[in-house]
Amino acid sequence: ETGVTQSPTHLIKTRGQQVTLRCSSQSGHNTVSWYQQALGQGPQFIFQYYREEENGRGNFPPRFSGLQFPNYSSELNVNALELDDSALYLCASSLDPINNSPLHFGNGTRLTVT
Amino acid sequence: KQEVTQIPAALSVPEGENLVLNCSFTDSAIYNLQWFRQDPGKGLTSLLLIQSSQREQTSGRLNASLDKSSGRSTLYIAASQPGDSATYLCAVPQGGSEKLVFGKGTKLTVNP
Repeated sequence: ETGVTQSPTHLIKTRGQQVTLRCSSQSGHNTVSWYQQALGQGPQFIFQYYREEENGRGNFPPRFSGLQFPNYSSELNVNALELDDSALYLCASSLDPINNSPLHFGNGTRLTVT
Repeated sequence: KQEVTQIPAALSVPEGENLVLNCSFTDSAIYNLQWFRQDPGKGLTSLLLIQSSQREQTSGRLNASLDKSSGRSTLYIAASQPGDSATYLCAVPQGGSEKLVFGKGTKLTVNP
């Protein structure tokens, strides 16, 4: 059973650029959630995808968008990068969309915006 | 709006001590609470998930309790070891429950 994998592990971008982060969910999981974690803070919910549809969104602007594919892997896209977007981006997969089973997190993508 | 607070923010103890980490939440209408561990620069590892119908959950040297009415949970770590050094976070569902709200975590250092 493979766990949640994220790519790339690290990324450096310039303000105004666009970025795509990728996540492969754990085998058998149909739900993927994305979180942003700033240094010293707890993760903040960005959005969730369940069976290829967005199933909830946190307080993030529209320049944060996502996709889920038929194999339940997912992408997070961020347009017009800002300095404050620098953070650890975490992907989590689960068996259900209402978080009534443990979330399985990947090791994250560390994004630095200069 | 659900808010989660964890006290203390940091804790340093000698190896072998038993310790308690605290988590409080403002909206008691939750159906579960999760505790996670995060090593530096890494993702989160789920430790325990307590359903609202349960009072506590145990895994090895870890024991988590949940008191919904008072909006509190505690994570008890017995006989701490240097390998327990990490940040511990608690989280509860909010809204339609697709969203987890996290505390800022307690950074634990266990000294040999």
